[in-house]
Amino acid sequence: EAGVTQFPSHSVIEKGQTVTLRCDPISGHDNLYWYRRVMGKEIKFLLHFVKESKQDESGMPNNRFLAERTGGTYSTLKVQPAELEDSGVYFCASSQGIAGDLYGYTFGSGTRLTVV
Amino acid sequence: AQKITQTQPGMFVQEKEAVTLDCTYDTSDPSYGLFWYKQPSSGEMIFLIYQGSYDQQNATEGRYSLNFQKARKSANLVISASQLGDSAMYFCAMRARYNNNDMRFGAGTRLTVKP
Repeated sequence: EAGVTQFPSHSVIEKGQTVTLRCDPISGHDNLYWYRRVMGKEIKFLLHFVKESKQDESGMPNNRFLAERTGGTYSTLKVQPAELEDSGVYFCASSQGIAGDLYGYTFGSGTRLTVV
Repeated sequence: AQKITQTQPGMFVQEKEAVTLDCTYDTSDPSYGLFWYKQPSSGEMIFLIYQGSYDQQNATEGRYSLNFQKARKSANLVISASQLGDSAMYFCAMRARYNNNDMRFGAGTRLTVKP
């Protein structure tokens, strides 16, 4: 089975520009998560989709970040306008588990975003 | 609130020796899962090992084992017979049953295996 796919793998944009990251979860996984790791810091939770619904978006840093998951399949994370502090690696993960399932996720390879 | 602490920003180990990466956690949930992930320089997150809070035995996966001490709230990763390819960042993480939206990660430990 195909794993979690993220695109692009790298992106370099100028401050003020817009970038859209995409995540294709494992087919059939209802749960989709976005995380990010800013350079040298911890991996932080951003948000969680269950199918097309946002279950928890408490980790979204501000309103420059917009995540969507139309149709409950792939998800996009748009940053508009990008700021220097948005640089980091953005990870997507998916899982099949129902509420209470403690098993781990399958992570994508991440998108390394550099804002210059 | 959940918190994961990895106190070793960097570790060195000689090839073929064993190394222990520390992880302590804090949660008020009685049921939780503990995970270790490896992140090589290529960037992907690779799942290594899982320990459930009610598991009676310590988890093992090949050269990886998890030294789970529930009373001390520690979940140290032990890598036996280190290989050069083990050089990477290692993250400890936790999910709690009643907060399963949010897998919390530690700050990570960078392991370097010396030839």
